[in-house]
Amino acid sequence: DAGVIQSPRHEVTEMGQEVTLRCKPISGHNSLFWYRQTMMRGLELLIYFNNNVPIDDSGMPEDRFSAKMPNASFSTLKIQPSEPRDSAVYFCASSAGSSGNTIYFGEGSWLTVV
Amino acid sequence: AQSVSQHNHHVILSEAASLELGCNYSYGGTVNLFWYVQYPGQHLQLLLKYFSGDPLVKGIKGFEAEFIKSKFSFNLRKPSVQWSDTAEYFCAVNADNTDKLIFGTGTRLQVFP
Repeated sequence: DAGVIQSPRHEVTEMGQEVTLRCKPISGHNSLFWYRQTMMRGLELLIYFNNNVPIDDSGMPEDRFSAKMPNASFSTLKIQPSEPRDSAVYFCASSAGSSGNTIYFGEGSWLTVV
Repeated sequence: AQSVSQHNHHVILSEAASLELGCNYSYGGTVNLFWYVQYPGQHLQLLLKYFSGDPLVKGIKGFEAEFIKSKFSFNLRKPSVQWSDTAEYFCAVNADNTDKLIFGTGTRLQVFP
C-alpha cells in the first residue's frame, strides 16, 4: 500500500517567493495533519483536517501560512511570502480519524528559504 | 491544553546498554500515548502505543513502555540497545477524543559499537 506521499521532497527558494507543499494521504484515511519540524521547536502541529474540513488551525504561525484540502486525496500547505525562518521539514500525516488511531507520516518536504 | 515533556534531550550509550527514555504528559483525562522513532533522514514511524488495558506495552524491535497513570508518565525502555537504534525518539499524546497528536521535543539517541 502506498503511504503518505509528499512533494516536493526538497525545495530551496528565495525569500519572498511563494512555496506550495503537496500531500496525498493514505487512501481511506479521513484525518490529515501538517506538522513542522525544526531544531529549535521540535515537531509542531500546524493544522489538521477531518473529512476535508479544517478542525484546528491554531498552530498556523501567521497569515503567511494557509492550508487547503479540496478533496479527500489532496492537501496543500502554502507559504506566501516565504521567509528564512520558515526553513524546516514539513511533514504531512494521515489517520483513520478516530482517537487513538495510528498517524502515518510522509517522508517530509525539506524547505530552505535563503 | 495537553503537553508532553521529554527531559532527556541527548542520550549516548554503548551497544548492549539498557535504555530508558522519560516521557511525562500533562492532561487529567483519558489519554492515548505513543512513541515514534525517526531514523536519520527518515520520517516518523510508530514504535508502540497505549490505549487501555495492560499498562506495559510491547512494541517493535524489542522496545516497551510502561504507562504509570499516577505519575503521568510513559517511559520507553529497551534492555539492550543496538547501533541500529541510533535515532530520535518522540513521545506523543492525544486526548479530548481527537486523533490530533501532540509531540514532545524528542530525545536523540546515539549508540556506539
